[in-house]
Amino acid sequence: QLQLQESGPGLVKPSETLSLTCIVSGASISSSSYDWGWIRQPPGKGLEWIGVILYSGTTYYNPSLKSRLTISVDTSKSHFSLKLSSVTAADMAVYYCAEYRRSLGSFDPWGQGTLVTVSS
Amino acid sequence: DIQMTQSPSSVSASVGDRVTITCRASQGIGSYLVWYQQKSGKAPKVLISVASVLQSGVPSRFSGSGSGTDFTLTISSLQPEDFATYYCQQAQSFPLTFGGGTKVEIK
Repeated sequence: QLQLQESGPGLVKPSETLSLTCIVSGASISSSSYDWGWIRQPPGKGLEWIGVILYSGTTYYNPSLKSRLTISVDTSKSHFSLKLSSVTAADMAVYYCAEYRRSLGSFDPWGQGTLVTVSS
Repeated sequence: DIQMTQSPSSVSASVGDRVTITCRASQGIGSYLVWYQQKSGKAPKVLISVASVLQSGVPSRFSGSGSGTDFTLTISSLQPEDFATYYCQQAQSFPLTFGGGTKVEIK
C-alpha cells in the first residue's frame, strides 16, 4: 500500500527557499503508474493546489506560484520534491504531498502533512 | 481558472440528520468533481470521485450527485464520526481548484 511522508525544515526565513521532500514507500516511484502532487493549507483556512508532476516529467503549477515553484522527481531516491523561492508569511501552511490519480483528477493517498512556518 | 463555491460554509446538525452540501463551479466541469473529508489535524481523504462514485471503504450514507456546474454531497444519516470539514475539488482542468470548505458541526 502506497504511503507518503513529507520531510523538510519546519521553519524558513522570509525571502529564502522552502524545500520539501515527499518520501514514497510501498511502490516504485519510477513506475509509469504514478503521478504526484502538492497541496497546502494555511492555518485555519482551506486547501490550495500547488502543482503536480506527471510520470513523463510534465509539470502543472498553480499560476499564483508558478514563478517561484519547482516540482521534481528523484526516482533513484524514491522521493519527489517541492521548492518554493522567496517565501513570505503568506506561504506559511501545512504542506501535503499526495498521489495524483490522473484519470479521476483526485489526490489519494495523502501524506500526513508538515507545517512550514515563515519567520525570521 | 475555474472557481468552486461551496455552501453553506458551516452547518450545525445532530446525529441522524440528513446533511446536504452544495458545490458550484464557475463553468461546466462535466462530472470531474471530487469530494474530500478532512478531520481536525488530519490530511483530507477522498470520499467521492467523478461526482458520484463512492471510494472503496466509504460508508453508503455518503452520496454525490450533479454534473456541469452544480453538485451535491449528501450524508443521509449523520454519524458522530462524520463531524469534519468537507471540500469539493474540480478535476476538469488545470489549475485544479478547491471549494472553500463546509464545516459540519455538532448541534
